[in-house]
Amino acid sequence: AQSVTQLDSQVPVFEEAPVELRCNYSSSVSVYLFWYVQYPNQGLQLLLKYLSGSTLVESINGFEAEFNKSQTSFHLRKPSVHISDTAEYFCAVTMNTGFQKLVFGTGTRLLVSP
Amino acid sequence: SAVISQKPSRDICQRGTSLTIQCQVDSQVTMMFWYRQQPGQSLTLIATANQGSEATYESGFVIDKFPISRPNLTFSTLTVSNMSPEDSSIYLCSVEDGGYEQYFGPGTRLTVT
Repeated sequence: AQSVTQLDSQVPVFEEAPVELRCNYSSSVSVYLFWYVQYPNQGLQLLLKYLSGSTLVESINGFEAEFNKSQTSFHLRKPSVHISDTAEYFCAVTMNTGFQKLVFGTGTRLLVSP
Repeated sequence: SAVISQKPSRDICQRGTSLTIQCQVDSQVTMMFWYRQQPGQSLTLIATANQGSEATYESGFVIDKFPISRPNLTFSTLTVSNMSPEDSSIYLCSVEDGGYEQYFGPGTRLTVT
């Protein structure tokens, strides 16, 4: 079975500062990895994904995540955050052997202040 | 990406009653999923609903409490039966696009009093 650990329940940062949201996973098989974002009072939106190929994946709004197999991590980073990035971020994993259910981490609340 | 709508967007229900949540997708999809997000917590999968077969429930969730229908490839319903305050949550449906990505509906915010 897979599991996902997001150690930071909340990350406060100032606007224009860099941020890293940590995600570690556990699995006995190869996995696909995802980051979802949930803005206040909204549903989940897919932010970025790693399926195969380059271990560094990017989103259209400046976030990036790097898949590190040896460390079983998929940390999310942004070099300069905006107030509008304030949201809950969820890391999720699924096995890559045909579709399997998504397993979510507990989420990290990113709080960006001016 | 699929566009998903849910009805109702929110509801306040009394203990002991039932609520049926609808999920509509703008394209045909094989796999639909129902999740629960309790206040301040992550998402937990309730069940997987494939058209033409019985829903598959995760550990801790049973059909009598959360009956699911999947009459066609664009629609599904989840019923929360005999509700108690512990059922107060956001209920989300999602679909898988064939490329291992899941797209989520906006959710139904349920409060049980």
